[in-house]
Amino acid sequence: DTGVSQDPRHKITKRGQNVTFRCDPISEHNRLYWYRQTLGQGPEFLTYFQNEAQLEKSRLLSDRFSAERPKGSFSTLEIQRTEQGDSAMYLCASSGKTSVTGELFFGEGSRLTVL
Amino acid sequence: GENVEQHPSTLSVQEGDSAVIKCTYSDSASNYFPWYKQELGKRPQLIIDIRSNVGEKKDQRIAVTLNKTAKHFSLHITETQPEDSAVYFCAAPGSARQLTFGSGTQLTVLP
Repeated sequence: DTGVSQDPRHKITKRGQNVTFRCDPISEHNRLYWYRQTLGQGPEFLTYFQNEAQLEKSRLLSDRFSAERPKGSFSTLEIQRTEQGDSAMYLCASSGKTSVTGELFFGEGSRLTVL
Repeated sequence: GENVEQHPSTLSVQEGDSAVIKCTYSDSASNYFPWYKQELGKRPQLIIDIRSNVGEKKDQRIAVTLNKTAKHFSLHITETQPEDSAVYFCAAPGSARQLTFGSGTQLTVLP
């Protein structure tokens, strides 16, 4: 399967713990996005990478969230000192080398539950 | 930034009938308008998109129309089937080519 893969698919943690999610995009895609989705809502943009550079970060993203894409391939999203409000599905998406906005290919998501 | 509003939030239709979902956007510079379908427990997947240089695009039973003057676009599904039941999201680009999504429409096709 050459689609976007995310790991883990499910994570249950206690409030205050740190969690890290990994995303492996489609190999030839240079753009990578993280979105958050809560029940009954559309995906909400968190951050965006072009190759290894983090070009945009949502103003809604607190300092407890950090994302990296060290070699321009896979990416990690870390949430420090988790809160119950962080419970959501974290979706990764990638898109290809075009100069205009195009299709986002989403992964299956990582569901976070903070107790 | 871009603001996208989507209506209705839920829609029930009889099998074989048509369904229409509407979205409005705020940024007049937006030039790309995709629609994603998300089945229960699955990832969102693109079903159709339109760029601002055309007013309508069709793909079999699915069509999207765009009115740039009014800043709204719509998804039309004809001859609905039970497998069309899902949540549908519209989107429009914000800065840096990221998409801002609407809040979704839960479509239920009744047999």
